[in-house]
Amino acid sequence: KQEVTQIPAALSVPEGENLVLNCSFTDSAIYNLQWFRQDPGKGLTSLLLIQSSQREQTSGRLNASLDKSSGRSTLYIAASQPGDSATYLCAVGAGGGNKLTFGTGTQLKVEL
Amino acid sequence: KAGVTQTPRYLIKTRGQQVTLSCSPISGHRSVSWYQQTPGQGLQFLFEYFSETQRNKGNFPGRFSGRQFSNSRSEMNVSTLELGDSALYLCASSLGPFAGGPQYFGPGTRLLVL
Repeated sequence: KQEVTQIPAALSVPEGENLVLNCSFTDSAIYNLQWFRQDPGKGLTSLLLIQSSQREQTSGRLNASLDKSSGRSTLYIAASQPGDSATYLCAVGAGGGNKLTFGTGTQLKVEL
Repeated sequence: KAGVTQTPRYLIKTRGQQVTLSCSPISGHRSVSWYQQTPGQGLQFLFEYFSETQRNKGNFPGRFSGRQFSNSRSEMNVSTLELGDSALYLCASSLGPFAGGPQYFGPGTRLLVL
């Protein structure tokens, strides 16, 4: 059974810091890995999608890497801003179709 | 292009009742997946529909069911509601059941069972 873990569970940083969020998964037989952002009480916003054959993806200040063999992904956020405050979720696609298995999330707070 | 829409946004029900939630995918998307999000269990996969057929199912009791219409809109139904069914229900839309494509989530329906 696929299990996805995210570390840390919560993180508070001052504005401007670069930070790294970690995601690990137990079964390397994945199709892809997707990073999402969730604001309180809202749905999920897709940030980055990495296919299993890729090593990383970049979008603006965000960079996500994938090491399938070790079961790890990292989300790097450069020059953090208060607007980045949200819960970040990683999800792996595996087990058929579009089923995603989600991690527990990292709650990020960026302070002025 | 309009995003994924879910109705209603909020619901309050009592134990024993049933509820139906609706999801309209992005235009042109034919696959719809449903997820339940609770503080204790996080986000859990319920089921996926494509071409009006259930393609995949998570580990939930039979009280949870769904269907998809010819226009790709999907509904999920929960019968005999329990307090533990209180959650945010999210649907996700994608082009098709091709493993690897991006998925786009709606704003969710927040269900409170009293």
